[in-house]
Amino acid sequence: NAGVTQTPKFRVLKTGQSMTLLCAQDMNHEYMYWYRQDPGMGLRLIHYSVGEGTTAKGEVPDGYNVSRLKKQNFLLGLESAAPSQTSVYFCASSSGGGVSGANVLTFGAGSRLTVL
Amino acid sequence: SQQGEEDPQALSIQEGENATMNCSYKTSINNLQWYRQNSGRGLVHLILIRSNEREKHSGRLRVTLDTSKKSSSLLITASRAADTASYFCAPPVSGSEKLVFGKGMKLTVNP
Repeated sequence: NAGVTQTPKFRVLKTGQSMTLLCAQDMNHEYMYWYRQDPGMGLRLIHYSVGEGTTAKGEVPDGYNVSRLKKQNFLLGLESAAPSQTSVYFCASSSGGGVSGANVLTFGAGSRLTVL
Repeated sequence: SQQGEEDPQALSIQEGENATMNCSYKTSINNLQWYRQNSGRGLVHLILIRSNEREKHSGRLRVTLDTSKKSSSLLITASRAADTASYFCAPPVSGSEKLVFGKGMKLTVNP
């Protein structure tokens, strides 16, 4: 039981290049999330999904796109990478539903992206 | 907007000592969670406390919640070097299932 798997773990891009981060979960979770973590900034929500075929914007969505074509996968795309997108990206999933704040998240190990 | 703010931002203690971390949040909540992040890893859920609970224990962890003061605390007793990590409180966005993570508190436990 792998939980939440992120690929790749590390990537270096040049400004203007595009790439996709893949998140896969094997827990049959409904909800999936993409966060970025920067020094001194904490974790910020980029986009999230409450079910297959749905996506929604989080706190910092600009410059990113996402897709949830299959329940187990949540893709985060950078169409034209910028140095400001250098960060560690975390995917998380949860079963969703229930009372506000009771949604326990399972995180992946992170993907470290550097944009030169 | 809702955000969990941990205090202090960094704490260094000796093995065997207790560590207390405080969290303040802005809007009313039904539940609050705490997470731990070891260096270079993803966050791991530690404990969830509900608004009708004032205190909750899990092993060496004790969490309190004071909804009137909009604050929570995480106490780690008899700390170990393996407790070295960053700790985050995560209140929900009001009326939402989304969680808000602050900057975290870096705990260093010296052997």
